[in-house]
Amino acid sequence: QVQLQESGPGLVKPSQTLSLTCTVSGGSISSGGYYWSWIRQHPGKGLEWIGYIYFTGSTYYNPSLRSRVTISLDTSKIQFSLRLSSVTAADTAIYYCARVEGAGTVDFWGQGTLVTVSS
Amino acid sequence: QSVLTQPPSVSGAPGQRVTISCTGSSSNIGAGYDVHWYRQLPGTAPKLLIYGNSNRPSGVPDRFSGSKSGTSASLAITGLQAEDEADYYCQSYDISLSGWVFGGGTKLTVL
Repeated sequence: QVQLQESGPGLVKPSQTLSLTCTVSGGSISSGGYYWSWIRQHPGKGLEWIGYIYFTGSTYYNPSLRSRVTISLDTSKIQFSLRLSSVTAADTAIYYCARVEGAGTVDFWGQGTLVTVSS
Repeated sequence: QSVLTQPPSVSGAPGQRVTISCTGSSSNIGAGYDVHWYRQLPGTAPKLLIYGNSNRPSGVPDRFSGSKSGTSASLAITGLQAEDEADYYCQSYDISLSGWVFGGGTKLTVL
């Protein structure tokens, strides 16, 4: 059974960079077939796709966030990471890491981590 | 404004049948891309409910069914139970955005 766990600061100051890591257990992130994704949910709101990375290193970013987002992969640590720069209060959200299988279904989710942007 | 439009809320009495719609366009559902559905209980991560328009993962009761037609999809829940009270999200791929998108979510209330 694949498990994903987000880690990182729960509080980030405005204008700084939000950094989160997702550790994957029970599976490999260095083989094909899956897209390792970040999805966020603003408090009381719906789900928003941030982006994903494939094992080759190719990435996709939501156009609305593209200029501020970087997703990277560390296969040796079985982790992938999210960096979101120049954050504002509008970036306060629960951030989920997730595995997306080839047909597009999110078959495994992390438990989510709340990141608050505040001074 | 979500690319996929869902009603903000639906409700039904125990035992009844409810449907949740997911309306897209010719750049996503109408282009032939599959629709998937998720259920999110309060304080938890979403969980896959329906995949590939109408398929249920192992463990999902057959009270849940999905369908797709044209630029829309629907999730139907029969024999409503109190435990079905949750938020439901549809998801598909959008060719104009070159990425996956979610609907805005629908809160199901069991009266």
